[in-house]
Amino acid sequence: ETGVTQTPRHLVMGMTNKKSLKCEQHLGHNAMYWYKQSAKKPLELMFVYNFKEQTENNSVPSRFSPECPNSSHLFLHLHTLQPEDSALYLCASSQAGGLDHYEQYFGPGTRLTVT
Amino acid sequence: EDKVVQSPLSLVVHEGDTVTLNCSYEVTNFRSLLWYKQEKKAPTFLFMLTSSGIEKKSGRLSSILDKKELFSILNITATQTGDSAVYLCATPSGSARQLTFGSGTQLTVLP
Repeated sequence: ETGVTQTPRHLVMGMTNKKSLKCEQHLGHNAMYWYKQSAKKPLELMFVYNFKEQTENNSVPSRFSPECPNSSHLFLHLHTLQPEDSALYLCASSQAGGLDHYEQYFGPGTRLTVT
Repeated sequence: EDKVVQSPLSLVVHEGDTVTLNCSYEVTNFRSLLWYKQEKKAPTFLFMLTSSGIEKKSGRLSSILDKKELFSILNITATQTGDSAVYLCATPSGSARQLTFGSGTQLTVLP
């Protein structure tokens, strides 16, 4: 257990569905991240939130919409996804400031399949 | 563009063997290099290296950074089946909070 939880752990959705992924961290961190991990590809950073403010958006398509209501919770809202969006979505958190925010703690991920 | 390259991509060894995993990087403004272990889902943090030549050690795992040659190695001695995992290295790139990851090394330790 890393102190970062994600729900659901598995999700199958059709291309016309709308769903949300949830992440919660219990570490008192103030930066949170969404990553995408596809088969045989490096982890790709999608979004970064620092103190609830989005600071990075790595050219992610608008069908992915993040929301960070507070420093402990992070959501990824999904709509009209494509089959190539099927992947493991990982949430991470870290402490901001100095070098601490490079040590990121990851949740178990949500395995998403788009049919 | 910042880049992290890991080798080998996969490795199969027997219990008791010693393995060395490699990570080379090219980043505009180097800050640190991190190693993670990913077994099933969540990558778990192993080491963060900032200074060249100083070995970080945790049990049978150790890692060292060479900032001149732009690489790091992760050593695992007396491997066990529980060491089977994907080992990822990453470095902050671009803005301070972006981590660029390598593709990982899939290590399989056979009994």
